[in-house]
Parts: sequence; C-alpha cells; structure tokens
Amino acid sequence: QSVLTQPPSVSGAPGQRVTISCTGSSSNVGANYDVHWYQQLPGTAPKLLIYNNNNRPSGVPDRFSASKSGTSASLAITELQAEDEADYYCQSYDSSLSNSVFGGGTKLTVL
Amino acid sequence: EVHLVESGGGLVQPGGSLRLSCAASGFTFSNFAMSWVRQAPGKGLEWVSGITSSGDDTNYADSVTGRFTISRDNAKNTVFLQMSSLRAEDTARYYCVKDGHCNGGTCYFDYWGQGILVTVSS
Repeated sequence: QSVLTQPPSVSGAPGQRVTISCTGSSSNVGANYDVHWYQQLPGTAPKLLIYNNNNRPSGVPDRFSASKSGTSASLAITELQAEDEADYYCQSYDSSLSNSVFGGGTKLTVL
Repeated sequence: EVHLVESGGGLVQPGGSLRLSCAASGFTFSNFAMSWVRQAPGKGLEWVSGITSSGDDTNYADSVTGRFTISRDNAKNTVFLQMSSLRAEDTARYYCVKDGHCNGGTCYFDYWGQGILVTVSS
C-alpha cells in the first residue's frame, strides 16, 4: 500500500480534461513537502512531468498543470490526446519514513 | 544531453548478490545527488536508495536496509547499487535517476536511465 494514494485509473475522450488526485498525510504532502509528477508511457522509463508542485520542465506542454492544497495534490491534463495515454505517478517526501515516496500510479486511458 | 546507462542486472538465485552500475554523462556528476528507483513487473514505482553528491550521506528504503549499499565514484561518473541477500520480491526493473534540485528534503528526479532488469529466482 502506497503512502500517497492515487486512483488506479481515469479515462477521458480526446479533447476533454481529466484530473488525477494524489492524497497524502501530515507527514508528507500536508507537511508542505513539494509534490512532483511523472509520466510513464508504455514500455518506457518514467519522465519528469511536473516538479515542485506546479512547474513544468522544458518541453512539457502547458496542457499539463498541477496544484497542491493541504494533504492533497492533483494533476490536470487538458485537451486530452491519444499520446497522453500512460501511467502517472506523484512523488513527495515523507518525514516519518525519511524517504522519498511515490503514489501507486494512475493509468490514464484515452477513449 | 544527460545519459544514464545501467548495467549489471540479470538472473540471480535467492540469497545471492548482484552489483548494479550506472554510468552518467552530460552533466557535472559530482554536483548532484543520485538515486535508485525500482519497479516490480506490472507494479508501481518504489524509491530504493539515494546518495548525496559527495557520497557522504546515503539513505535506504526500509525494504532494502541492511541488504543494499549505494555508493558512487565521482572520478568515474558512476553510481553503484550493491545488492545482497536478494529475495524474490526484489525482482524488478531498477532505474538509475539523477536528483534535481532538492528543497527541504524533497528531491525530484529529473533524468532516468532506461532501467535494468533484476530477476531473483531459483
């Protein structure tokens, strides 16, 4: 069981907007540690998508955005495209474990 | 361009040992912390271990503490993961990752290798 909780799956039609939640606790997200997001396309290594809660690395489209509030964070993808079909993971730091922690991952299906 | 290339994986029997290496290029290796993250077949990501830029400090997931050792050679731009007392549940693809800039304990992982498969089975 992951320290950060994500829905196992979400889906949306092309052009739509989807959100993926990441729920933590007072020892990680709620303790004001930054949240980061990764995209893992099928058969490939994960790729950094969002860092420090809401920053996009160079080359990541502005269709991807994220936010954080309290003990939760969320990733939003607008104008959904077929190429967005992937697994998405949130990551933060947990002070109880003194470790980086990942969410369980969310599989995005583009209908 | 940043490149991280893992090597040393393979099939090992339970209780055995394996040493993973990760050759880094395209950035000033000695300036950045490095980590290993693993992914069991069909499962999610699990942070395994991290090492500071100097190599002075290391950290491990509870699941591998006492069995795995991370180290680095800044002269050779290489980070290692020595794995011993391996168990079936250690079977996974192991990714070498470069830490980005850390903020109060939270580091993001801005570059990932392609990963190397470790299979623990008799």
